[in-house]
Amino acid sequence: EAGVAQSPRYKIIEKRQSVAFWCNPISGHATLYWYQQILGQGPKLLIQFQNNGVVDDSQLPKDRFSAERLKGVDSTLKIQPAKLEDSAVYLCASSLAATWPDSPDTQYFGPGTRLTVL
Amino acid sequence: GQQLNQSPQSMFIQEGEDVSMNCTSSSIFNTWLWYKQDPGEGPVLLIALYKAGELTSNGRLTAQFGITRKDSFLNISASIPSDVGIYFCAGGAEKLVFGKGMKLTVNP
Repeated sequence: EAGVAQSPRYKIIEKRQSVAFWCNPISGHATLYWYQQILGQGPKLLIQFQNNGVVDDSQLPKDRFSAERLKGVDSTLKIQPAKLEDSAVYLCASSLAATWPDSPDTQYFGPGTRLTVL
Repeated sequence: GQQLNQSPQSMFIQEGEDVSMNCTSSSIFNTWLWYKQDPGEGPVLLIALYKAGELTSNGRLTAQFGITRKDSFLNISASIPSDVGIYFCAGGAEKLVFGKGMKLTVNP
């Protein structure tokens, strides 16, 4: 079974530039998550999708971050404009859960995109 | 917001030794998960716990869901060099909340 795919794996940009990350979840997984992991910290949830709807974006900095999952499969996360403090690994995860808010289903993570903002 | 206290923050052990780590929270969780993350990779699920008091093993790993639902521990027995990495606990309610991780170093 193929895992969660993410691209690019690495991205270096200058502050105030824009960047986009792509995620393709495990086939059949209804729920998709974007996490931000700052060096030395655990992942922090940015946004959770159930199919193509947003169920939790309370920790997404909406003035600069946006995410979409238009067809309920793959997803993109965008930062515009980037700040120095956005340097982090951006992880995508997916889970089977088709109903919410049941207890969190097991989440499977992709390899992440390491973003460096100069 | 919900926070997890994961300890210790790092451990240096000799190959063959056992290691224990734990997570505590002021909040109640419905699920406790333990992940391992290697450099440049995403976290990989090791053990999932769904009931208070549950004790689960996966090979050399054993984890327990605390009876109060506010804590969990993970034990690794007879460590080997490939156990090196960062171990995260995560508590689940409406969403997963992660600890800060424990960096494990195993000396051959």
